[in-house]
Amino acid sequence: GQQLNQSPQSMFIQEGEDVSMNCTSSSIFNTWLWYKQDPGEGPVLLIALYKAGELTSNGRLTAQFGITRKDSFLNISASIPSDVGIYFCAGPPIQGAQKLVFGQGTRLTINP
Amino acid sequence: DVKVTQSSRYLVKRTGEKVFLECVQDMDHENMFWYRQDPGLGLRLIYFSYDVKMKEKGDIPEGYSVSREKKERFSLILESASTNQTSMYLCASSLGGQGSYGYTFGSGTRLTVV
Repeated sequence: GQQLNQSPQSMFIQEGEDVSMNCTSSSIFNTWLWYKQDPGEGPVLLIALYKAGELTSNGRLTAQFGITRKDSFLNISASIPSDVGIYFCAGPPIQGAQKLVFGQGTRLTINP
Repeated sequence: DVKVTQSSRYLVKRTGEKVFLECVQDMDHENMFWYRQDPGLGLRLIYFSYDVKMKEKGDIPEGYSVSREKKERFSLILESASTNQTSMYLCASSLGGQGSYGYTFGSGTRLTVV
């Protein structure tokens, strides 16, 4: 099936630093989603993007829908300890489909 | 608080056993999904269901089956467990209808097959 490639696979940062991660696809997506998984829990939806070029924020998180529709970016500003977890990008592989394909995840570790 | 409940957080089963993973949602959602999560591979879709008694294969259905007899319950069945099915299994549900991507996930079941 279709795959989404996330980069980097893991990040080790100091508290207070900004974080950037991205997600790419070989095919066009019409919707991009970003989820976060806390340790021991299931993923939770952070941000949904529906339009090429769209920039959406949720607190310290900002996500962008790439203009080519083949990529998306997630930025976290001024990281705090509770940002630790795995971040997944996701999207419907077919327009209108209700199932999602997920990326491999970016594991974020923060040193206090 | 609305939620998706997976019956077990941890399971250890023997090779060849038939294994049932249960998932219940209390949000009257139409869609339910089973994913497995492995390091470096992310979440991969095993099976999903858009309605009672309806099921569709995902990307990795081999070795699995599912059952949805009631709207709120979606069961994943490992017909004959093998060690390569050791993984974290995540159940999710969503409202249904086009553009309905707000998945609610359960906390996961970590299955070890020995």
